[in-house]
Amino acid sequence: DTAVSQTPKYLVTQMGNDKSIKCEQNLGHDTMYWYKQDSKKFLKIMFSYNNKELIINETVPNRFSPKSPDKAHLNLHINSLELGDSAVYFCASSPSSGNTIYFGEGSWLTVV
Amino acid sequence: GENVEQHPSTLSVQEGDSAVIKCTYSDSASNYFPWYKQELGKRPQLIIDIRSNVGEKKDQRIAVTLNKTAKHFSLHITETQPEDSAVYFCAASTGQAGTALIFGKGTTLSVSS
Repeated sequence: DTAVSQTPKYLVTQMGNDKSIKCEQNLGHDTMYWYKQDSKKFLKIMFSYNNKELIINETVPNRFSPKSPDKAHLNLHINSLELGDSAVYFCASSPSSGNTIYFGEGSWLTVV
Repeated sequence: GENVEQHPSTLSVQEGDSAVIKCTYSDSASNYFPWYKQELGKRPQLIIDIRSNVGEKKDQRIAVTLNKTAKHFSLHITETQPEDSAVYFCAASTGQAGTALIFGKGTTLSVSS
């Protein structure tokens, strides 16, 4: 009964492909996030949704498109993958904006 | 927007020593300051947090202090153990609608026995 779960955990794909990462939380939280952790370990906010509504959209290439079908799910679709997209993508949730966040296990994306 | 600076980037201590990690933030409206620990290959996990109405908080060997005037906060780990080795992140948030935790760049702590 993992609180924040995301799939897949590992993803190796070729440049130019399109891929999706799915995330689900069973904590009843209103807010969900996508963070990117690069090779230098820096955790950078990408997107945030509150009750299915996009509330944060940082400077992210428009090849990245989040989708929240309901407040318990937040998916990330990436088009035309590039080498620089290789990173760990963490889904997270919190009771409300800017509060304690709970991370999923991460999705290790490698673009070759 | 908020900017969080964290120092040092790496810290090596002997088992039993104390470790201190410091962070500064830019947005005076920030009022929530959590610390996360990330072990190799794992997710970041909350270890302690402090809100702006409190100057210090302690949980066993871990303590956090906050100086709102100077806009800095620190993590103190006493009697370090090898299992404390990890990357530690500080973060700050205003808690306002439409905001998220902004993280420092992390400190890699190595505790040698």
